Amino acid sequence: AQSVAQPEDQVNVAEGNPLTVKCTYSVSGNPYLFWYVQYPNRGLQFLLKYITGDNLVKGSYGFEAEFNKSQTSFHLKKPSALVSDSALYFCAVRDKGNTDKLIFGTGTRLQVFP
Amino acid sequence: SQTIHQWPATLVQPVGSPLSLECTVEGTSNPNLYWYRQAAGRGLQLLFYSVGIGQISSEVPQNLSASRPQDRQFILSSKKLLLSDSGFYLCAWSSTSLQYEQYFGPGTRLTVT
Repeated sequence: AQSVAQPEDQVNVAEGNPLTVKCTYSVSGNPYLFWYVQYPNRGLQFLLKYITGDNLVKGSYGFEAEFNKSQTSFHLKKPSALVSDSALYFCAVRDKGNTDKLIFGTGTRLQVFP
Repeated sequence: SQTIHQWPATLVQPVGSPLSLECTVEGTSNPNLYWYRQAAGRGLQLLFYSVGIGQISSEVPQNLSASRPQDRQFILSSKKLLLSDSGFYLCAWSSTSLQYEQYFGPGTRLTVT
């Protein structure tokens, strides 16, 4: 079965430090992968996607993600965290059985401390 | 550019009352449309999706129904609300030309009392 896992419920990081939010996937073949961010009481905002090509994908707000096929991972990263990055982050993969759907992870809450 | 609207933003309804949440998309044609529910600020549960007018797929059996009367309009309804229907309801759209990423509306916070 296809799935995406976010192993950490919460990640804490000090402002100015690098951050990583982890995501692993289980999909046959080449996956389409996505990251979203959700601020309190708001809808999800699209950050970035990997479809094909360069394994390092750059997105909005200084975020980037690295696709690693051998480790089936798509970790979200940022070199220097801001307090305003504190939010809920979701990883998602396109459902290959029904390409109209995305399969979302359970979310990771990022807390950046000043 | 494309925009997605949801209303109302917040709603408090008694148990047993009806529900109608509306979602509309502007700036695109024939989008795929989705209704999700998010409980307790965590995971998303896909409730319904639609690939065209009158075409609705239900993901989980429940007290809710969806309709798509126009190309860019998606409505979530219930005849009688349950306490368990409380949550944050999100509408989203996608297009194959955008390589499957979905774009979300601002959400509706529903509290059933």
